[in-house]
Amino acid sequence: NAGVMQNPRHLVRRRGQEARLRCSPMKGHSHVYWYRQLPEEGLKFMVYLQKENIIDESGMPKERFSAEFPKEGPSILRIQQVVRGDSAAYFCASSPQQQNTEAFFGQGTRLTVV
Amino acid sequence: GESVGLHLPTLSVQEGDNSIINCAYSNSASDYFIWYKQESGKGPQFIIDIRSNMDKRQGQRVTVLLNKTVKHLSLQIAATQPGDSAVYFCAETNTDKLIFGTGTRLQVFP
Repeated sequence: NAGVMQNPRHLVRRRGQEARLRCSPMKGHSHVYWYRQLPEEGLKFMVYLQKENIIDESGMPKERFSAEFPKEGPSILRIQQVVRGDSAAYFCASSPQQQNTEAFFGQGTRLTVV
Repeated sequence: GESVGLHLPTLSVQEGDNSIINCAYSNSASDYFIWYKQESGKGPQFIIDIRSNMDKRQGQRVTVLLNKTVKHLSLQIAATQPGDSAVYFCAETNTDKLIFGTGTRLQVFP
């Protein structure tokens, strides 16, 4: 049973480009969470999704950021018109049910905006 | 806003000693807590969890203590090993998302 898979592991984008981060949850998990981490800081919640639904996006910036978890395929975190401040590690976690149980994390995508 | 914080940003211990990492939380409604270990360049790894109806839980070499009166959580690592060197995060939840603290870096020296 593969763990949470994120790709790419490293992503470099120029300012103004789009970044797409992918997350495939563990088999049997229908709940996906995205977190952002700056160096030497904790993980900040961004968005919580179930299949085809956004449950909680209170941590996601209103502009340029969007997330989806389609019926088929991975969850996608999309950042449009990236700026240098978007440089961070983005982690995805999945759980089999609502997050009052253990959530398993992927290895993250490190986004660098140049 | 974020409600979980840690008292010590860096903890240095000698190999073989016990380590204690502390965490304060502010949301008294939180009912589930997790400790994660994060090694450099990797994602957080589950260590141990505890629910609010408990005050202590033990795993292999690790113990989590929960004091709801003062909203304090601690992680005890027995016989600390070099492989324990990492950043440790506590996280709390009572709804749909985990809220993480800043983290404590544990350094183990010989």
